[in-house]
Parts: sequence; structure tokens; C-alpha cells
Amino acid sequence: GAVVSQHPSWVICKSGTSVKIECRSLDFQATTMFWYRQFPKQSLMLMATSNEGSKATYEQGVEKDKFLINHASLTLSTLTVTSAHPEDSSFYICSARETGGHSPLHFGNGTRLTVT
Amino acid sequence: KQEVTQIPAALSVPEGENLVLNCSFTDSAIYNLQWFRQDPGKGLTSLLLIQSSQREQTSGRLNASLDKSSGRSTLYIAASQPGDSATYLCAVYQGGSEKLVFGKGTKLTVNP
Repeated sequence: GAVVSQHPSWVICKSGTSVKIECRSLDFQATTMFWYRQFPKQSLMLMATSNEGSKATYEQGVEKDKFLINHASLTLSTLTVTSAHPEDSSFYICSARETGGHSPLHFGNGTRLTVT
Repeated sequence: KQEVTQIPAALSVPEGENLVLNCSFTDSAIYNLQWFRQDPGKGLTSLLLIQSSQREQTSGRLNASLDKSSGRSTLYIAASQPGDSATYLCAVYQGGSEKLVFGKGTKLTVNP
């Protein structure tokens, strides 16, 4: 089946530094990928829609200059948390769907970000 | 604005029991509905996808139903096993959109 690989699975960084998270579709092409954030005991909340070859679309309340998204190829999207602060500590998950059709979304295993 | 609610928030059952997880949504103009499983600290595993024209989907011991008019979906798990212990998430695709709106999930514990 379709596999989405997310890296790293966990990261600890100091306040003020930047962290990059990668999301790869391993055996399919994905024109669109999605980035979610999940706080403890809360729903997954969509942060942004990543479009290959164009700018990402951010959800209301998500700072595009803080959460930089790059979707340079049909199999890779990256999320960079810039100048991270402790309140950015969360579980970040990406998802992707095979291009074309109405196949279900496939999710990565997530990245646990802790900002100290 | 679409809101997805899952009841109960947590459920503990003995092994072998049949159980039902509930999901409700406020806007019936959905495209599809999907049930996921999430293990602690892990990503999501898709369990069942129900298209808006369908009323149910089955996979092994799992059966999911969809009633768009009432804004409800249920996930039925037959003969539960300890390995079924996880958080189960319900999510809806808004009509004309690829965006998923998630519920907070039901944390299931199946006791041996």
C-alpha cells in the first residue's frame, strides 16, 4: 500500500532555532500534501495545504512566515518551524493522497517537536 | 464551520466484547468520511473510508456506517481484542474540498 514517510520522528531544539520536518511519499506521487498539528488530547488541526510547484495555502491563524512549507517535488514536502518557541511544541503530522482519483489520505508517523 | 464530535471520549471494555464508537458532524454537506486509528505517539492508520453515496463499509471485524442526513457515523468493532486498544478518530471531508476535519477521538482500551 501507499506509504508516507516522515522524518524525524522526534526532535528537541532550543528556543529560537529552526527545525525542518520532511514528508515523503515513498511509492506514489502526491501533487498535494497536508500538514497537521496535534496538541495533547486535542483534534488534529490542519495547518496548511502544500502544493507541488506553488505556494502553500495556510489555514486561518497559522503564520506562514513561521511555518515555512516547500513542496519542491511530487514526493517531498518540508515544513520548517522558524524561530521555534516552547508553545510550538506539538505533534506534527503530514498526509498525502495519490494524484488523481478519490483514494484515501495516507498519513506519516508524525514528528514530536519539543522546544526547550 | 464543520464540527466533529466523538462520543465517548474514552471506553474500556473486556476482551471479546462488541462495541460501537460514535461520531457526529454538524454540516451534512460532506464528501467522504474516514475512520482512523492512532497508537500513542504515532501517526494515523486509515481503517475505513465511506464515500458520501455509501451507507457503510466493512473490513474484517470493523464496520462503519454513515447517515449523512442525521450527521452521524458509527464504527462497530466485533469481538474486540487487546490489540485494538488505540485512539479512534473520525474525520470528514468537506464537500468540494480535500480538507479533513477531525474529531478529538475515542480512546479505547480492551482489557485481556
